[in-house]
Amino acid sequence: DAKTTQPPSMDCAEGRAANLPCNHSTISGNEYVYWYRQIHSQGPQYIIHGLKNNETNEMASLIITEDRKSSTLILPHATLRDTAVYYCIVRVSTPNDYKLSFGAGTTVTVRA
Amino acid sequence: NAGVTQTPKFQVLKTGQSMTLQCAQDMNHEYMSWYRQDPGMGLRLIHYSVGAGITDQGEVPNGYNVSRSTTEDFPLRLLSAAPSQTSVYFCASLGGGYTYGYTFGSGTRLTVV
Repeated sequence: DAKTTQPPSMDCAEGRAANLPCNHSTISGNEYVYWYRQIHSQGPQYIIHGLKNNETNEMASLIITEDRKSSTLILPHATLRDTAVYYCIVRVSTPNDYKLSFGAGTTVTVRA
Repeated sequence: NAGVTQTPKFQVLKTGQSMTLQCAQDMNHEYMSWYRQDPGMGLRLIHYSVGAGITDQGEVPNGYNVSRSTTEDFPLRLLSAAPSQTSVYFCASLGGGYTYGYTFGSGTRLTVV
């Protein structure tokens, strides 16, 4: 799986959009970009994933650059409950490869 | 629909004791896995299973055994607990197609003294 690079931490004001960057310059054509988050002491929570098109769901939006070497997770209206560690993971999605490799992630602190 | 259920939530063991961490899912997911998370660290894969009767090692398998006799259950056994196994353990499952997101349990906090 391709390695990812994320900033170690970032702050965000409550009610504002939080934009979380992720670099994955060695991503290959069959690797998806996944985002998970881990709120303190809880199990990781799946947020969103994409291959090459931008994706949106009820939690967030995922913007992937045209060359697929980087992506941005957008939390449109951050709340205090969005304070968590956010993990960007790229992996091949095939029937024979299910493993997730977690890096250090970005610690996001939403401030009132 | 409970998702992924882990028991116990907390456990203290003495060095050398053995125990089994339970993981059950009710989503009929084929893939299940165990991770450990040490303080301030990311998650590391211990063992995983792609279906009943099939298991394989992850990146940190030493000191742990697993079995998968049913689709629903994937227990993790510590054979002889060591202080280095003090950690938070998470079980995860994946189903509905291999491109979807994983569902994680709430974790078991294990302390070995």
